[in-house]
Amino acid sequence: AQSVTQLGSHVSVSEGALVLLRCNYSSSVPPYLFWYVQYPNQGLQLLLKYTTGATLVKGINGFEAEFKKSETSFHLTKPSAHMSDAAEYFCAVSLGGAAGNKLTFGGGTRVLVKP
Amino acid sequence: DGGITQSPKYLFRKEGQNVTLSCEQNLNHDAMYWYRQDPGQGLRLIYYSQIVNDFQKGDIAEGYSVSREKKESFPLTVTSAQKNPTAFYLCASRSRSPGTFTSTDTQYFGPGTRLTVL
Repeated sequence: AQSVTQLGSHVSVSEGALVLLRCNYSSSVPPYLFWYVQYPNQGLQLLLKYTTGATLVKGINGFEAEFKKSETSFHLTKPSAHMSDAAEYFCAVSLGGAAGNKLTFGGGTRVLVKP
Repeated sequence: DGGITQSPKYLFRKEGQNVTLSCEQNLNHDAMYWYRQDPGQGLRLIYYSQIVNDFQKGDIAEGYSVSREKKESFPLTVTSAQKNPTAFYLCASRSRSPGTFTSTDTQYFGPGTRLTVL
């Protein structure tokens, strides 16, 4: 079975500062990895994903993440935070089609951006 | 516009009553999923369906039921057997055929329904 751990349920950053959200996973097979963002009382929007190929993945809104197999990590970064980045972010893992593409989510990290 | 709709956005029910949450998609996706979200716990899978007339239990199926009679619809019933039903419920769908704007590995989410049991 797979699992996901997001370190820090709340992160506070200043506008213009680096955003770093940590995600570690455990999986018995090479996983697919996802980052989703959720604004208050809304559904989830896909930020980026890793399935195969290049380990540095670029997503929407200036976010990127790097898959590091040796560290079982998929941390999310953005060089310069914007007020509109205030939201909750979820890391998720899937074992792909053989397992119905079911997603296992981390507990989420809520980002607060200070002016 | 293609997308996933969930209705209603807010739902209140009295303890002991069954309630059905709607999820409809016009993306022609084959697979559909129901998740429950509680504060600090992320999302947990309730049920999923990969084709019409077939569905499987997820991690927390007890107290819930589903049906998949049509490709575009996957309603979730929260029964009186669900001991703590107050939560935010999210529906998602996924294509099993690659396309120009969709991939087979990505789930797309609806806006959610917030259920409160009084």
